[in-house]
Amino acid sequence: AQSVTQLGSHVSVSEGALVLLRCNYSSSVPPYLFWYVQYPNQGLQLLLKYTTGATLVKGINGFEAEFKKSETSFHLTKPSAHMSDAAEYFCAVSDVGTALIFGKGTTLSVSS
Amino acid sequence: NAGVTQTPKFRILKIGQSMTLQCAQDMNHNYMYWYRQDPGMGLKLIYYSVGAGITDKGEVPNGYNVSRSTTEDFPLRLELAAPSQTSVYFCASRTGSKYEQYFGPGTRLTVT
Repeated sequence: AQSVTQLGSHVSVSEGALVLLRCNYSSSVPPYLFWYVQYPNQGLQLLLKYTTGATLVKGINGFEAEFKKSETSFHLTKPSAHMSDAAEYFCAVSDVGTALIFGKGTTLSVSS
Repeated sequence: NAGVTQTPKFRILKIGQSMTLQCAQDMNHNYMYWYRQDPGMGLKLIYYSVGAGITDKGEVPNGYNVSRSTTEDFPLRLELAAPSQTSVYFCASRTGSKYEQYFGPGTRLTVT
């Protein structure tokens, strides 16, 4: 069965600092991987996705993630945090089936 | 395009009452999903549908029912509401050829 582990339920950074949110997955087949962002009292918005091809994928708002098969990881990074990045972030995995399997989420706090 | 819409935004139910959460999408997506989100637990799949007339259970279907009579609509029915159904409910949809899902704004339900 597929699963997703997000290391750290809460990450705090200073404005301008590097953002690193960790995601590890387990899957018996080549996975499709996603990062979603959720702002308070809103739905989930797709940040970026990996399906096939280039392992470094770029998303919206300056975020990017790298698929590392050998480490079964799909960590999310952003070089310089902005106050507006404060939100909850979810990593998700899908096979060629139907639903997404979500991690438990990481809340990102950004301080000035 | 309105995307995925959900009504109501908020609802308070008494134990034992029933209600229907509405979900509609205008993107002609075949696949639709219902998730519930509980604090610190990520999103759990309740039911999903791969097309009109076809539905199937997800990870946490007990206490819920769904129907899919049209491509656009995917209502979720709660029968005999229980406090354990207090949650935020999200509807999502996707095409058959791409795996990313598009989410509605959510319905916050409290059962007291």
